[in-house]
Amino acid sequence: AQSVAQPEDQVNVAEGNPLTVKCTYSVSGNPYLFWYVQYPNRGLQFLLKYITGDNLVKGSYGFEAEFNKSQTSFHLKKPSALVSDSALYFCAVRPRTNAGGTSYGKLTFGQGTILTVHP
Amino acid sequence: NAGVTQTPKFRILKIGQSMTLQCAQDMNHNYMYWYRQDPGMGLKLIYYSVGAGITDKGEVPNGYNVSRSTTEDFPLRLELAAPSQTSVYFCASSFLAGDTDTQYFGPGTRLTVL
Repeated sequence: AQSVAQPEDQVNVAEGNPLTVKCTYSVSGNPYLFWYVQYPNRGLQFLLKYITGDNLVKGSYGFEAEFNKSQTSFHLKKPSALVSDSALYFCAVRPRTNAGGTSYGKLTFGQGTILTVHP
Repeated sequence: NAGVTQTPKFRILKIGQSMTLQCAQDMNHNYMYWYRQDPGMGLKLIYYSVGAGITDKGEVPNGYNVSRSTTEDFPLRLELAAPSQTSVYFCASSFLAGDTDTQYFGPGTRLTVL
């Protein structure tokens, strides 16, 4: 069974400082990995995803994430945080479809990390 | 495009009542999903559909039913509401072009069962 862990319930950073939101996963084979963001009273918005190739993935709003296969991690990063980045962030994993099978796009989500950026 | 829309935004039910949460998408996506979000628990998949007329259970289907008569609509039915069903419900859709699909989420329905 696949699983995702976000070890920090909350992350606090000062505006202008770099931020990291951590994610580790467990899945058979090579995964597809996603980051979503949820602003208050809103649905989840897609930020970025890792499919294959370059381990550093760039996404929306200046975010990027680094896929590390040996550490089974997919940490979300941003070089300079903004107050408007304050939100709830979810990491998700999806197994690759095997030949003749299908995973129907089912995502497994982590429990979420609340990011607070202070002015 | 409106994307994924959900109604109602908020609802309070009494134990034993029934209701249907509506979800619609105008992106011609094949796949649709229902999730529930409980505090500190992330999202759990309730049901999903790979196309009109085809639905399947997710991780937490008990107490819910779905139907998919059209590509656009994927309603979620609660037959006998229980306090354990108090949650925020999100509908999502994806095209699933290969394995690289991205799920697009609606704004959510906040349900309280008293």
